[in-house]
Amino acid sequence: GAVVSQHPSWVICKSGTSVKIECRSLDFQATTMFWYRQFPKQSLMLMATSNEGSKATYEQGVEKDKFLINHASLTLSTLTVTSAHPEDSSFYICSAGQGTFEQYFGPGTRLTVT
Amino acid sequence: AQSVSQHNHHVILSEAASLELGCNYSYGGTVNLFWYVQYPGQHLQLLLKYFSGDPLVKGIKGFEAEFIKSKFSFNLRKPSVQWSDTAEYFCAVRGNTGKLIFGQGTTLQVKP
Repeated sequence: GAVVSQHPSWVICKSGTSVKIECRSLDFQATTMFWYRQFPKQSLMLMATSNEGSKATYEQGVEKDKFLINHASLTLSTLTVTSAHPEDSSFYICSAGQGTFEQYFGPGTRLTVT
Repeated sequence: AQSVSQHNHHVILSEAASLELGCNYSYGGTVNLFWYVQYPGQHLQLLLKYFSGDPLVKGIKGFEAEFIKSKFSFNLRKPSVQWSDTAEYFCAVRGNTGKLIFGQGTTLQVKP
């Protein structure tokens, strides 16, 4: 089946620094990738949708200058949390899809900002 | 706007009990419906999905769900749960925007 990986699986950074999270589709080409945020014991909240070669579309309330998304190829999307603050600590999950069909989820990245 | 509501936030069952988790959605157009499971410490996995056709959908691990269009519902069922079914369950809806909107999730705890 389709596999999506994320790297790193967990990261601790200091307040004010930037962190990059990678999302890769390992055995298929993903025309669309999605980034979600999940708080403990809560649901997944869609942050943004990225299509290869074009700018990401951000959901209402998500700061695009803070959460930079790049989808440079059909197998790689990156999320950079810039000038991270403790309130950015969360579980970030990506998913990748082909067209309008099923999405495949990555294992997630736990970010802790100290 | 699309929204998804899961009625049960925390369900506790004994092994062999039957399970039904409610999911209702709000969206006027054609939808694709999904149930995902997240086992402790693991990533989201697809249990089953409905795109079109037979409204009774069978998924993995003995789960099934029924799409009732008139009730905007897509409830998840399993006749006999096992301890290994302990997990978080998410209902999700996708409309014509292509975005997946998730429900709040239901924590299922199965007692051995």
